Amino acid sequence: QSVLTQPPSVSGAPGQRVTISCTGSNSNIGAGFDVHWYQQLPGTVPKLLISTSGNGPSGVPDRFSASRSGTSASLAITGLRAEDEADYYCQSYDRSLSGSMFGGGTKLTVL
Amino acid sequence: QVQLQESGPGLVKPSQTLSLTCTVSGGPISSGFYWSWIRQPAGKGLEWIGRLYITGSTNYNPSLKSRLTISLDTSNNQFSLELTSVTAADTAMYYCARSTGGGGYEYWGPGTLVTVSS
Repeated sequence: QSVLTQPPSVSGAPGQRVTISCTGSNSNIGAGFDVHWYQQLPGTVPKLLISTSGNGPSGVPDRFSASRSGTSASLAITGLRAEDEADYYCQSYDRSLSGSMFGGGTKLTVL
Repeated sequence: QVQLQESGPGLVKPSQTLSLTCTVSGGPISSGFYWSWIRQPAGKGLEWIGRLYITGSTNYNPSLKSRLTISLDTSNNQFSLELTSVTAADTAMYYCARSTGGGGYEYWGPGTLVTVSS
């Protein structure tokens, strides 16, 4: 069971806005550690998408944004496109585990 | 451009040791980054295995710590994973990846599939 909790699935129609939540605790997200989001298209390597600190790779469309509040973080995708259909994972550092961890992943379906 | 490449046996027998190597190119492994192993069973989510810093210090997933060793080979620009006493539950795609201390994993290897079976 993941220390970071994500919904198993979300869906939205093309053009819509969807959000994916990532709920942690005071030893990870609540402690201020950065939260990173990954996109994994079917059959491919996970790709770092965006981080709550604003740091992240260049070239990621500004349709993707990340935010945090308390012990939770969110990934928002606006102007949903068919090519956004993928699995999305959050990741952060956990002070009590002295290590990193991933959320269980969320499958985004574009209707 | 930094590139990572995993290598090792694709099939390991139960109770034996899984050994993988990650070869880094495009920059020295002795630079200030964390080098990590991550795995993903087929159809399931990502699991962080552990990481290594250039000083040789390591952090391991508590659920694997008793069976796990991650080590550095600066002369060959490689780092390695050893997981002992494997079972079918260790069957997964294994990735090596690079991050900064609090940063995300920006560079990943293509992954190597390891199957534990007799």
